[in-house]
Amino acid sequence: EVQLVESGGGLVQPGRSLRLSCAASGFTFDDYGMHWVRQAPGKGLEWVSGISWSGNNVVYADSVKGRFTISRDNAKNSLFLQMSSLRVEDTALYYCAKRSPERSFDYWGQGALVTVSS
Amino acid sequence: QSALTQPPSASGSPGQSVTISCTGTSSDIGGYNYVSWYQQHPGKAPKLMIYEVSKRPSGVPDRFSGSKSGNTASLTVSGLQAEDEADYYCSSYAGTNNYVFGTGTKVTVL
Repeated sequence: EVQLVESGGGLVQPGRSLRLSCAASGFTFDDYGMHWVRQAPGKGLEWVSGISWSGNNVVYADSVKGRFTISRDNAKNSLFLQMSSLRVEDTALYYCAKRSPERSFDYWGQGALVTVSS
Repeated sequence: QSALTQPPSASGSPGQSVTISCTGTSSDIGGYNYVSWYQQHPGKAPKLMIYEVSKRPSGVPDRFSGSKSGNTASLTVSGLQAEDEADYYCSSYAGTNNYVFGTGTKVTVL
């Protein structure tokens, strides 16, 4: 059974940093690209960032480019999102998602809540 | 990276059909056959319902169907059931591993 479990969320002040983790199990982690998708309270889904199976190719939404860094540790079946210079508008539930070969997101975690507030 | 446009709401009575549109551009929906649809119940993670425009993952009822014409994709839910009441989001591949989601549609079963 595929499982994705996010951790590391919390309350942080504007301008500070936070690191999210996603522990994966139930599939061959280093065969698949992984992504982060966020959802602000009461709002829709927003794609944030993606990383290739090898970690060599990373992409970001314009809204987080230069502030967020995605990475992965295939030896530990883990995905990360380092978030810096956080803004109030980054407040959201952050989902870790597995990318399927057909370029959809076939499995999702339950999300990690990040609240940016002074 | 503008969000794909969906109607905010749609509704139908049990047994009826509802169709949700999702409009993008030639850089996303119109450029690739990688449109997917997700169902999200309150407080839950999104669930993949349709991928590659019209394909259903194992376990998704055949009441759910997808299509695409030009820069617009559509999701149709036939034979509406109470459990279909949820938010629905489209998504499209937008090149170089980038993705874009739709604005979301709340489906109400009357």
